Amino acid sequence: GIQVEQSPPDLILQEGANSTLRCNFSDSVNNLQWFHQNPWGQLINLFYIPSGTKQNGRLSATTVATERYSLLYISSSQTTDSGVYFCAVTGYSTLTFGKGTMLLVSP
Amino acid sequence: DGGITQSPKYLFRKEGQNVTLSCEQNLNHDAMYWYRQDPGQGLRLIYYSQIVNDFQKGDIAEGYSVSREKKESFPLTVTSAQKNPTAFYLCASSVRGGRIGNTIYFGEGSWLTVV
Repeated sequence: GIQVEQSPPDLILQEGANSTLRCNFSDSVNNLQWFHQNPWGQLINLFYIPSGTKQNGRLSATTVATERYSLLYISSSQTTDSGVYFCAVTGYSTLTFGKGTMLLVSP
Repeated sequence: DGGITQSPKYLFRKEGQNVTLSCEQNLNHDAMYWYRQDPGQGLRLIYYSQIVNDFQKGDIAEGYSVSREKKESFPLTVTSAQKNPTAFYLCASSVRGGRIGNTIYFGEGSWLTVV
């Protein structure tokens, strides 16, 4: 099946810093989503982005489907951004998740 | 409010017992999913259903069973055959199954601990 790799696995930032999270996938996809899992386990949709660029406030995402990667940008990070960020793609029929990037933003 | 409701939030089970996790959605979504998450890991698909009265095994279906008798409901039973059931279980839904244009939404999860 399709393979999804995320990097870095862990990231520690000072509040106000910017960061870039990367998601590589092994095959062509029709669906790519970014999620944020908060410390209580809730998974929140950030972007549905099989290709192109989208922005939502301090977050933006870019997917280059032909090169099989997606990037999530977090600008001016806040402590509430802490948690795990997952990339998930659809290969055959259902979403396959990467192992996530754990982000800790310190005050 | 529209959304996905999972219950219970926390559950303890003795070894050898079956337990059923509830998942209800009022989003009028056709497709529903169950995922398992272990500490420090991503999500792995247990079962999914694209339509009422139909469901398919995911990557780790052994030791689990599901039913889809109503569009709104997709309960998951963790049987005694599941070797390592302690985990965080997440239910999800999407407008339809398949690959294209299919944003998926999650419930708040259920923590299952075997004691």
